Amino acid sequence: EDQVTQSPEALRLQEGESSSLNCSYTVSGLRGLFWYRQDPGKGPEFLFTLYSAGEEKEKERLKATLTKKESFLHITAPKPEDSATYLCAVQAHSWGKFQFGAGTQVVVTP
Amino acid sequence: IAGITQAPTSQILAAGRRMTLRCTQDMRHNAMYWYRQDLGLGLRLIHYSNTAGTTGKGEVPDGYSVSRANTDDFPLTLASAVPSQTSVYFCASSAEGSYNEQFFGPGTRLTVL
Repeated sequence: EDQVTQSPEALRLQEGESSSLNCSYTVSGLRGLFWYRQDPGKGPEFLFTLYSAGEEKEKERLKATLTKKESFLHITAPKPEDSATYLCAVQAHSWGKFQFGAGTQVVVTP
Repeated sequence: IAGITQAPTSQILAAGRRMTLRCTQDMRHNAMYWYRQDLGLGLRLIHYSNTAGTTGKGEVPDGYSVSRANTDDFPLTLASAVPSQTSVYFCASSAEGSYNEQFFGPGTRLTVL
């Protein structure tokens, strides 16, 4: 059965303390893996798309990487404004639609 | 500003009542989606539409219906609301079918009593 699992569920960081979020997936024929950021009371906001193992994407303090079984979202020297819930989603060739993980809630304190 | 709008922002509804959640996008995206988001369960797909005139069932379609009469609008109807449909509902759209990233609306918070 296709699954998307994110860990940890919650992460509390001090400002400047780098860390990584994990998104592991089991899917036959990955078409794409997507990362989103969601602020409280708002809809998810697109961050990255990764299509093949070894691919990396960067945006400001965020860097996403992809292997055949998981993706990491690295947050380098985070700031309080990086506090949000980070969601990953996978899309398989066979069903085309997105399947989301439950998310990692990140809190960055000054 | 281009994007997706949803209405209402929030609603409290008595069980058994009919309710339509509205979603409109002005990006001319072919594909549109409805998700519900519940604590600990993440986003779950209710229904989707790859193009105007077609719809499909997602992971949790029971109790919900959709229509896609034109490119811009994708309403979600609860024919007879039940308390388990209390959730936050998000509409999303993507260009060129489902291959590209999705853009989300601000959500509708629905409480069924």
